[in-house]
Amino acid sequence: DAGVIQSPRHEVTEMGQEVTLRCKPISGHNSLFWYRQTMMRGLELLIYFNNNVPIDDSGMPEDRFSAKMPNASFSTLKIQPSEPRDSAVYFCASSSNRLPHGYTFGSGTRLTVV
Amino acid sequence: AQSVTQLDSQVPVFEEAPVELRCNYSSSVSVYLFWYVQYPNQGLQLLLKYLSGSTLVKGINGFEAEFNKSQTSFHLRKPSVHISDTAEYFCAVSEGSNDYKLSFGAGTTVTVRA
Repeated sequence: DAGVIQSPRHEVTEMGQEVTLRCKPISGHNSLFWYRQTMMRGLELLIYFNNNVPIDDSGMPEDRFSAKMPNASFSTLKIQPSEPRDSAVYFCASSSNRLPHGYTFGSGTRLTVV
Repeated sequence: AQSVTQLDSQVPVFEEAPVELRCNYSSSVSVYLFWYVQYPNQGLQLLLKYLSGSTLVKGINGFEAEFNKSQTSFHLRKPSVHISDTAEYFCAVSEGSNDYKLSFGAGTTVTVRA
C-alpha cells in the first residue's frame, strides 16, 4: 500500500497564476479530504468528498478555490488566480466509511506564491 | 458540533523525562478520539485512537492516552521521551454519527532536549 500520494511536493508560483494540486487516495477508501495548514490558522478543512461527491465545501476560502474528484482514485484542488496569502501546506487525506479508522494523510504540497 | 482544545501550545521536555499533552473536547454525543503526530516537513501520522472499550489506549512509539468521559478529556502520555519524539501533536475528535469528519485541535509542539 503506497498510502495517500500527493503531487507536487513543492510548488512555487507567481501571483495570478493557476495552481493545481493532485491527490491519489488509498484504494478502497470512500472519503477524501483537503486540508490547509498555516502557522496562523493551523489545520483547516477545505472540502471533503464521500464516494466522489462533495459533501461539505464550507471551508473553501473563496471562489478562487475549486476541487474535483472525477473518480475514486484521483482528486484535484485548483487555485485560480493564486495570491501570496494562499501560501501554505496543503494536505490530502482519505478514510474508509465503514469503520472510524481515522484518516491517512499524504505528505502534503508546500505552496509558495510570490 | 464538536470542538477540540489542546491546552498547551508548546511543551519543552528533557530526554528520558515523562510528557503529558492535554486534550479536551466538547460534544453532546458519543465520540471517537485520535492523536496524530507530525514530524517536521511531513504529513500527519496516526498515533492512537479510542473507539470504545478500555479507556486506556496504547499506541505506537510508546505513547498511550486515557479517555475520561466525565472530564471530556483524552490526554496523551509517554513515560520517557526521546529526541526523536520532537514533533507537533494533534488531538482530533469525530462524532459517532458523523464519523468520517474529524475536528482537529490547534496542536502542541513538543521539543525534546538532551
